[in-house]
Amino acid sequence: EAGVAQSPRYKIIEKRQSVAFWCNPISGHATLYWYQQILGQGPKLLIQFQNNGVVDDSQLPKDRFSAERLKGVDSTLKIQPAKLEDSAVYLCASSPGLAGVTYEQYFGPGTRLTVT
Amino acid sequence: GIQVEQSPPDLILQEGANSTLRCNFSDSVNNLQWFHQNPWGQLINLFYIPSGTKQNGRLSATTVATERYSLLYISSSQTTDSGVYFCAVVSGAGSYQLTFGKGTKLSVIP
Repeated sequence: EAGVAQSPRYKIIEKRQSVAFWCNPISGHATLYWYQQILGQGPKLLIQFQNNGVVDDSQLPKDRFSAERLKGVDSTLKIQPAKLEDSAVYLCASSPGLAGVTYEQYFGPGTRLTVT
Repeated sequence: GIQVEQSPPDLILQEGANSTLRCNFSDSVNNLQWFHQNPWGQLINLFYIPSGTKQNGRLSATTVATERYSLLYISSSQTTDSGVYFCAVVSGAGSYQLTFGKGTKLSVIP
């Protein structure tokens, strides 16, 4: 079974530029998560989707970050405009999922973003 | 929100040694996972263990939910075990996000 796929693996941009990340979850997983991991810390949730609906985006900086999950499968996370403090690894995770039940989450390889 | 504390923050082992990593959490949990983050940044699932004991090869884990802690045991450590070990929990009604500890950085030397 294929794992969670993410692209690109690395991205370097200048501040105020925009960037987009892509995630393809494990086949059949209804729930998709985006986490941000700053160097030296544990990952923190940015947004959670259940199928193509948003379940939790309370920690997403909505003035610059946006995410969508069209058709309930692939997802994209966008940052516009980027700031220096956005330098981090962006991790996508998925889990089989029904509302009201917690399941094991599986993570992709991440996208390492450097903002200069 | 829930607090997750991991200890020790850093651990250096000689190859072949055993170790115990601890995770304390401040509230009841619906989910607890242990991960190994390898030097390339990939989070590898080790255990899904909201309660009880599980074993997988040289690794085993125990969660005592009533006392709000979990332990990860690594036996006969190998250099490939090096990396950061994270404990992460899901807590609260209607919540599904994993809250991570700060991790334990393990270095296994030959």
